[in-house]
Amino acid sequence: DVKVTQSSRYLVKRTGEKVFLECVQDMDHENMFWYRQDPGLGLRLIYFSYDVKMKEKGDIPEGYSVSREKKERFSLILESASTNQTSMYLCASSLYRASSYNEQFFGPGTRLTVL
Amino acid sequence: AQKVTQAQTEISVVEKEDVTLDCVYETRDTTYYLFWYKQPPSGELVFLIRRNSFDEQNEISGRYSWNFQKSTSSFNFTITASQVVDSAVYFCALSALGTSYDKVIFGPGTSLSVIP
Repeated sequence: DVKVTQSSRYLVKRTGEKVFLECVQDMDHENMFWYRQDPGLGLRLIYFSYDVKMKEKGDIPEGYSVSREKKERFSLILESASTNQTSMYLCASSLYRASSYNEQFFGPGTRLTVL
Repeated sequence: AQKVTQAQTEISVVEKEDVTLDCVYETRDTTYYLFWYKQPPSGELVFLIRRNSFDEQNEISGRYSWNFQKSTSSFNFTITASQVVDSAVYFCALSALGTSYDKVIFGPGTSLSVIP
């Protein structure tokens, strides 16, 4: 079974702090994604990566950056956390690049609160 | 533009009732895929089904069934004889070959509560 793990289930940070959210997948998937989930808005794509050191902006990249130094690990970085970044953050992976056929495999999510 | 609409924000049913979750999509692409995912209280989205735009056959898997109708751009999900374990948020999603990357458009989700 594919397993996607996220470093924290719950995180509380203060405004202005730098925040790192880590995601690891164990099935050699090419694609990795970061979403945020907010009530009534569904899942919105922040960034995705289809290869090591490659990244593409999603729908809402402002205020975020990402890093993919190894194939299995994809990090989301909030350079200076703000209260409007309080949300549930979901990491996902899928097998092949540029294939709309792929289902995505999700981690359990990190609920981030910025005070 | 691509869009997925799930008009039902929240649904409550009593255990053993049947329930249908609606999904309406918009795309100009002729080749696309539709998905349903389940997000239980634990938070992890789980893939349920994938359907491609050329296959309009309905599908049944145990108590779950899916009705895909291109004429109405709908991909509805029915749970028969609902159980408490079906309580979750359900997302309908769309991806199309016309996009330049593996972008999936998710609907806003429908929160289903099954009451014992």
